[in-house]
Amino acid sequence: DVKVTQSSRYLVKRTGEKVFLECVQDMDHENMFWYRQDPGLGLRLIYFSYDVKMKEKGDIPEGYSVSREKKERFSLILESASTNQTSMYLCASSRTTGANVLTFGAGSRLTVL
Amino acid sequence: GIQVEQSPPDLILQEGANSTLRCNFSDSVNNLQWFHQNPWGQLINLFYIPSGTKQNGRLSATTVATERYSLLYISSSQTTDSGVYFCAVESGYNFNKFYFGSGTKLNVKP
Repeated sequence: DVKVTQSSRYLVKRTGEKVFLECVQDMDHENMFWYRQDPGLGLRLIYFSYDVKMKEKGDIPEGYSVSREKKERFSLILESASTNQTSMYLCASSRTTGANVLTFGAGSRLTVL
Repeated sequence: GIQVEQSPPDLILQEGANSTLRCNFSDSVNNLQWFHQNPWGQLINLFYIPSGTKQNGRLSATTVATERYSLLYISSSQTTDSGVYFCAVESGYNFNKFYFGSGTKLNVKP
């Protein structure tokens, strides 16, 4: 089974802090994604990456950056956390060839005080 | 982007009842998936179904791509079916860009 592991299940940070959310997948998937989920808004794409060192902005990239130095790892960075970034963050991965099925991690619930 | 609308937004069922969840989308899609999010937040893929019909136990799904909708059927519902069901579509023009609906929140009562 594909496994997508997110490093932190719950985080509490203060406004202005730098925050790193890490995601690792173990099935050699080319594509990796970061979504945020807010009540009533479904999942919204922040960034995705289709290869090492490649990234593309999603629908809500403002206030976020990403890093993909290795194929299996995709990091989401909040340079200066703000209270409106309090949310559930979900990482996913998928193949490029064949059925492009998204597999999600368990999520990281971030609270910014 | 593609608009994805799911209905109903909320659904309460008695255990053993059947239900149908609907997903409408506004444009051509390359890919459609149904997910179940459990109460702990984990999203599990139920079906990859860009077209046609699939069945998996008590669940089945049908996508009619030409009419831009998909249906998820849950039969003989159980309390463990509770959670939020999401439909996600991948643009037919912009691969790897998935658009999610707002979900259907299902509560199955014993």
